Amino acid sequence: DQQVKQNSPSLSVQEGRISILNCDYTNSMFDYFLWYKKYPAEGPTFLISISSIKDKNEDGRFTVFLNKSAKHLSLHIVPSQPGDSAVYFCAAKEDDYKLSFGAGTTVTVRA
Amino acid sequence: GAGVSQTPSNKVTEKGKYVELRCDPISGHTALYWYRQSLGQGPEFLIYFQGTGAADDSGLPNDRFFAVRPEGSVSTLKIQRTERGDSAVYLCASSPGGLTGELFFGEGSRLTVL
Repeated sequence: DQQVKQNSPSLSVQEGRISILNCDYTNSMFDYFLWYKKYPAEGPTFLISISSIKDKNEDGRFTVFLNKSAKHLSLHIVPSQPGDSAVYFCAAKEDDYKLSFGAGTTVTVRA
Repeated sequence: GAGVSQTPSNKVTEKGKYVELRCDPISGHTALYWYRQSLGQGPEFLIYFQGTGAADDSGLPNDRFFAVRPEGSVSTLKIQRTERGDSAVYLCASSPGGLTGELFFGEGSRLTVL
């Protein structure tokens, strides 16, 4: 049973505009959330995270928002750049070590 | 190298054969994880090592899958009697200890079972 869901398999955005990626989860015991970025033929790399006690975390062009009551988080990338074209995975932590991943959203930034 | 190293990067085998996939984690990282990523899916947890012992192997799909980490560093994922459904990218990751932050992933081993 998929506990972390990314319902949009793909997103296309123009360079310079905002990219918004969404993620929903079902397990209320998740206490830490992460976004990973993956280029073809490479392993996922950590992008940004947020603890369940916060509702926002910002790192440069990347901001993650968490709405615990809705069990929803989102990643905002602004402004989007061509190098941001990749697959983005939402992940949630349980049991202090195990990550549950969503299926990923492929972002394409158009020049 | 400084990152997580996985070998082979690609493995093609026939149904029924035995396969070993190797992971060399970042030096000093005590925690090691194996994940499996099937086409169109996110990584799925297989097993977690803290030091030499498997702290959680609940993600291994069946008893054809086994993993070891005898000296607390390099790990080997072993798959017996491979089936076509085992075809996937097997990702290894390490972290300094438990999961206080992010995992550091290798590039993965792509397994194709014909």
